[in-house]
Amino acid sequence: KAGVTQTPRYLIKTRGQQVTLSCSPISGHRSVSWYQQTPGQGLQFLFEYFSETQRNKGNFPGRFSGRQFSNSRSEMNVSTLELGDSALYLCASRHIEFQETQYFGPGTRLLVL
Amino acid sequence: SQQGEEDPQALSIQEGENATMNCSYKTSINNLQWYRQNSGRGLVHLILIRSNEREKHSGRLRVTLDTSKKSSSLLITASRAADTASYFCAAIYNFNKFYFGSGTKLNVKP
Repeated sequence: KAGVTQTPRYLIKTRGQQVTLSCSPISGHRSVSWYQQTPGQGLQFLFEYFSETQRNKGNFPGRFSGRQFSNSRSEMNVSTLELGDSALYLCASRHIEFQETQYFGPGTRLLVL
Repeated sequence: SQQGEEDPQALSIQEGENATMNCSYKTSINNLQWYRQNSGRGLVHLILIRSNEREKHSGRLRVTLDTSKKSSSLLITASRAADTASYFCAAIYNFNKFYFGSGTKLNVKP
């Protein structure tokens, strides 16, 4: 089985722009979670989608949004980028609701100038 | 915050030595997991210990869980240079809420 894939792997944007990141989960996995990783804050949970519905949401401003499609692929969007949004964005998938282990993609590294 | 917190933040040892890292969390959990991250990549699941378990082994990994102290430890025995990575604990609540700590950066010198 192919692993979790994320595109693009690297991205450079300027302040005020918006960005869309994509995540394709492992085949058969219906839950996708997104995390922001920065050196100072560690992994911060953004949101989780299951069967196209947002189930959980972390403490991030409304500039961060996401969605999930019927094929379980997920996108996250950040609008009006700020310098502090520079981070590694990781997505993780799980097979079914309440499966205990998450499988992570390689991440998208976003640099905001 | 319900996040797991790792200790130490960084650890440097010689190949062949054991590495121990600790994790603390705030409230009752369903299970606790440890993940490894190689430089700037995704996390890889290492081991899971349930709230009713006290110790678990997997190869050179040994995990303990003390629910009374709300803490866990990960022991890597006979470390190798390839074990150099960051290690994260994740406290799982309500079976679907994952809270990761800030990680322990392990450097194993050959």
